[in-house]
Amino acid sequence: GEQVEQLPSILRVQEGSSASINCTYENSASNYFPWYKQEPGENPKLIIDIRSNMERKQTQGLIVLLDKKAKRFSLHITDTQPGDSAMYFCAATMSNYNVLYFGSGTKLTVEP
Amino acid sequence: EAGVTQSPRYAVLQEGQAVSFWCDPISGHDTLYWYQQPRDQGPQLLVYFRDEAVIDNSQLPSDRFSAVRPKGTNSTLKIQSAKQGDTATYLCASSEDWGNYAEQFFGPGTRLTVL
Repeated sequence: GEQVEQLPSILRVQEGSSASINCTYENSASNYFPWYKQEPGENPKLIIDIRSNMERKQTQGLIVLLDKKAKRFSLHITDTQPGDSAMYFCAATMSNYNVLYFGSGTKLTVEP
Repeated sequence: EAGVTQSPRYAVLQEGQAVSFWCDPISGHDTLYWYQQPRDQGPQLLVYFRDEAVIDNSQLPSDRFSAVRPKGTNSTLKIQSAKQGDTATYLCASSEDWGNYAEQFFGPGTRLTVL
C-alpha cells in the first residue's frame, strides 16, 4: 500500500499571500500525485497533478513540486483569494494500480 | 456531460440497521470506486471495480459491507448492520480508463450518520 502524510492540517493566510501544503509518501513505486480541492458539502475536484517524470508543474496560480529522493511533494497557491478557501487533499498512486491514497487534508482559510 | 450521481445524499440510522447507497458513474467509465471519508479526513478506498469485476475489496469490512456492479454500470454499496464507527461520507468515483494517470471523478457523496 501507501501512506501519505499531509501538513499542515489547518492553514490561515491573508488574501493575496501564498499558501503552501506539504505531503510525504513512503512507497518509491508511487508515480502519480494529484491534488484535490473539496468545498463544504461538495465532492473532491482535481485541481492539478504531477507525474514522477516531472519536478515542477504550474497552472493558473497553482504550483506543484515533486522531490522523488525525499518522497515529498507540495502544492503552492500564489495570490490567494477567498474563493481558494476549502479543504485540500494530496494523493499518491502507484503505476498500474489506480487507487488513490489520500492525505488527511488541509483546511485553508483565506482571510480578506 | 453528467457527472457521477449518488443517492441518497443523507442517511441517518440506528446501530444495527441496514442501508444501501447507489452510484451512477459517468457514462463510458469502466472503473468505479467506493471511498469512505470520515469527518475531517481524506477518502479511503473500500472497493473498486473494472466493469463488473471486483479488482480490490481488501479494505471492505466483509462481514457487514458488500458492493456489487452487476452490469458494469451502476453500483450499490450496502451496510448490513451499521455501527457508529461507520459514520462518514461515502464517495463514489469513476474513471475512464484502467491505467495509471486516469483522472477520478467524484460524486457528491452520501453522508451517513449512525446513532
